[in-house]
Amino acid sequence: EEHLVASGGGLVKPGGSLRLSCTGSGFIFGGHTMHWVRQAPGKGLEWVSCISDSGNYKYYGDSLTGRITISRDNRKNALYLQINSLRDEDAAMYYCVRGTGRDGYPEYWGQGTQVTVSS
Amino acid sequence: QSVLTQPPSASGTPGQTVTISCSGGNFDIGRNSVNWYQQVPGTAPKLLIDSNDKRPSGVPDRFSGSKSGTSASLAISGLQSEDEADYYCGTWDGRRNDYVFGTGTHVTVL
Repeated sequence: EEHLVASGGGLVKPGGSLRLSCTGSGFIFGGHTMHWVRQAPGKGLEWVSCISDSGNYKYYGDSLTGRITISRDNRKNALYLQINSLRDEDAAMYYCVRGTGRDGYPEYWGQGTQVTVSS
Repeated sequence: QSVLTQPPSASGTPGQTVTISCSGGNFDIGRNSVNWYQQVPGTAPKLLIDSNDKRPSGVPDRFSGSKSGTSASLAISGLQSEDEADYYCGTWDGRRNDYVFGTGTHVTVL
């Protein structure tokens, strides 16, 4: 059975940094594009970033460009998101999402990790 | 980053059909297939419809999707109480390799 477990969230001060992690199991991790999607409290879904199966291609959404880096380690079945210069508006649930094997769009969602930004 | 437009809410009584629209543009829906996601409050989203009209395994056939031009629709027929949730459309933005979501529609079962 496939699983995605995200971790690394927590309380961080404005201007601080976080590294989110996600571990996949039950599927061939290195065969899929992986995404990060976030959802602020009471708000809709916002696509954050994705990385190709090999890790060679990375794409970022507008709202976090310049402050985030997505990476992966297929030997560890792991996905990462480094977020720097955190702002109040970055507070959200961050979901790790597996892309389909063919077109890469978000398919299977993990439970997410909560990021809170407060002084 | 473009955003796809959905009505904020929709409602119906049990057994009725509810339809949700998703409006985009030439570079997103106009060029790419549309997916739909269901999010029951307090849980992670789940893929409901992919590639405009395909139901992943386990999704009841009460859910159906369609696309025409730069718009797409999700229909829920035979509405049931467990269908009360938030629904989002999504597709690739062909200009930037971004993925964009709709603004979301909350469905209430009266």
